[in-house]
Amino acid sequence: DTGVSQDPRHKITKRGQNVTFRCDPISEHNRLYWYRQTLGQGPEFLTYFQNEAQLEKSRLLSDRFSAERPKGSFSTLEIQRTEQGDSAMYLCASSLGGGGYQETQYFGPGTRLLVL
Amino acid sequence: DAKTTQPTSMDCAEGRAANLPCNHSTISGNEYVYWYRQIHSQGPQYIIHGLKNNETNEMASLIITEDRKSSTLILPHATLRDTAVYYCIVVSSYDKVIFGPGTSLSVIP
Repeated sequence: DTGVSQDPRHKITKRGQNVTFRCDPISEHNRLYWYRQTLGQGPEFLTYFQNEAQLEKSRLLSDRFSAERPKGSFSTLEIQRTEQGDSAMYLCASSLGGGGYQETQYFGPGTRLLVL
Repeated sequence: DAKTTQPTSMDCAEGRAANLPCNHSTISGNEYVYWYRQIHSQGPQYIIHGLKNNETNEMASLIITEDRKSSTLILPHATLRDTAVYYCIVVSSYDKVIFGPGTSLSVIP
């Protein structure tokens, strides 16, 4: 399968613990996006990378959230001191952009987080 | 805020065409119309996109009005596996995707 992959697919944690999610984009895609989706809502943008540079962060991304893409390939999203309100599906998408043509974002299966 | 409005829900009989409307009256010249769908507990799946011409692929057809203020996604022969939330989005390259609540399509046997 050459699509976007995410790991883990499900995570249950206790309030106050730290969690880290991984996203592997489609090979050679230079842009990577993180979104969050709560029950009954559409996904909401969190942050975006072009290669290893984090170019935009949503106000939804509090200080407890940090994302990295150290080598311009896979990315990690860490949530520190989790709160029950962090319970959501965390989605990753990737695209091949910057060539002057319209890019399409392809989404992974998501990581579903439950904070108890 | 999302730049599109869609009906909250729709039903379609299995085997019939599903026509999902979308209004995007404030679309700008460099923005494309994209459709994604999300089957329960999965990530959004890309379906189709277009700028101003009608488009067709193996999954669906996209009809965009001449003034580009609205569009219709057509699933020619809906099956039970097409039951999902369908999102209509306008986006330019590069840009983050802003999702609205979408249309919940139920395909009925």
